[in-house]
Amino acid sequence: QKEVEQDPGPLSVPEGAIVSLNCTYSNSAFQYFMWYRQYSRKGPELLMYTYSSGNKEDGRFTAQVDKSSKYISLFIRDSQPSDSATYLCAIHAGGTSYGKLTFGQGTILTVHP
Amino acid sequence: DAMVIQNPRYQVTQFGKPVTLSCSQTLNHNVMYWYQQKSSQAPKLLFHYYDKDFNNEADTPDNFQSRRPNTSFCFLDIRSPGLGDAAMYLCATSLRTGPYEQYFGPGTRLTVT
Repeated sequence: QKEVEQDPGPLSVPEGAIVSLNCTYSNSAFQYFMWYRQYSRKGPELLMYTYSSGNKEDGRFTAQVDKSSKYISLFIRDSQPSDSATYLCAIHAGGTSYGKLTFGQGTILTVHP
Repeated sequence: DAMVIQNPRYQVTQFGKPVTLSCSQTLNHNVMYWYQQKSSQAPKLLFHYYDKDFNNEADTPDNFQSRRPNTSFCFLDIRSPGLGDAAMYLCATSLRTGPYEQYFGPGTRLTVT
């Protein structure tokens, strides 16, 4: 079993739709949760970062963490064609493991006009 | 703007011909990372530096080396590139003590002919 599981998609939605992207993880030591957006042939760009259970909102993006279920989500409201990218969840155990981001395999999202 | 810069953006090398990729950062972060990312896969950590303290991942081939002459710069050397080394190479930075999010450069796409 992988430490972080992410549905690779691809996911295709119409413009304006609400998008839900999800990851599950197995290691209860994981404490810090990130979402990255990666456009084709570019480096990952940090979208959201959270370390506690609950919701964190930033504009059209909401990150949700449920530590009891080991489940994290990213919601995109009013999706736009410019949101078309690969979305990677990444999780960190904190403490002295500063080098260790564990990534999901990424979900390919296409928002069509 | 503070950022992570990678040069060159595209690199073509011949099979077995050494190549060096460079990374610089203006974020003043003390940890720098090198990742390899192949098509439709998550980034794979090769090694990282905390200041000058080098940390190699167990499964990183000996063909890959790294140098960090100062806080701002880090280099990835591939001594004898094989066809399987064609990939996107990503440099990232973070703080050691948290928050643990990593900031990525735009990547160098390596082609081996």
